[in-house]
Amino acid sequence: RKEVEQDPGPFNVPEGATVAFNCTYSNSASQSFFWYRQDCRKEPKLLMSVYSSGNEDGRFTAQLNRASQYISLLIRDSKLSDSATYLCVVSFSGGYNKLIFGAGTRLAVHP
Amino acid sequence: ETGVTQSPTHLIKTRGQQVTLRCSSQSGHNTVSWYQQALGQGPQFIFQYYREEENGRGNFPPRFSGLQFPNYSSELNVNALELDDSALYLCASSLVAGNTGELFFGEGSRLTVL
Repeated sequence: RKEVEQDPGPFNVPEGATVAFNCTYSNSASQSFFWYRQDCRKEPKLLMSVYSSGNEDGRFTAQLNRASQYISLLIRDSKLSDSATYLCVVSFSGGYNKLIFGAGTRLAVHP
Repeated sequence: ETGVTQSPTHLIKTRGQQVTLRCSSQSGHNTVSWYQQALGQGPQFIFQYYREEENGRGNFPPRFSGLQFPNYSSELNVNALELDDSALYLCASSLVAGNTGELFFGEGSRLTVL
């Protein structure tokens, strides 16, 4: 079983749609959670951290359910520029910054 | 854009050869991590260097090795290349070695092994 699992997609949605991505992780000792965005043939970039209380950044809302080991990302009012691969990421404490990435969910927003 | 630069951007090698990839970290960042991203997969942690020493390693064989220099730049060396080593190799820098989650990635070195 993979440590972080995501639906690979692709999710094809029209502009203005609301889309949700889900992610599960296997290690209950995971302590920090993130969503990274990766454009085609580019490097990953931090989109947002995910907190237990849930958090929002503009059109993006992230939720964490530690009991179910489940993370979600909601994108409202999708833009063409949101087209990318969204990577679910977990990490552990331990003195070094090792991130465990999911394989990513591809989003394509069309006019 | 992130201040992390990698070289070369693309290279082709044959099985059994050796390769060295280079990374210059963002100014002020003393920690460098290396990740391997195969096609269609997420990045996988290879190792991290802090103050010129390896302080964390993922599930990669010893033929993957690295160095960090006093100016915090880093090298990734891979010996005895195999076809499965074909991937995008990403270098990431951060300000501290601990668990912050924010890594600043370079654009990567795309390695093809024939």
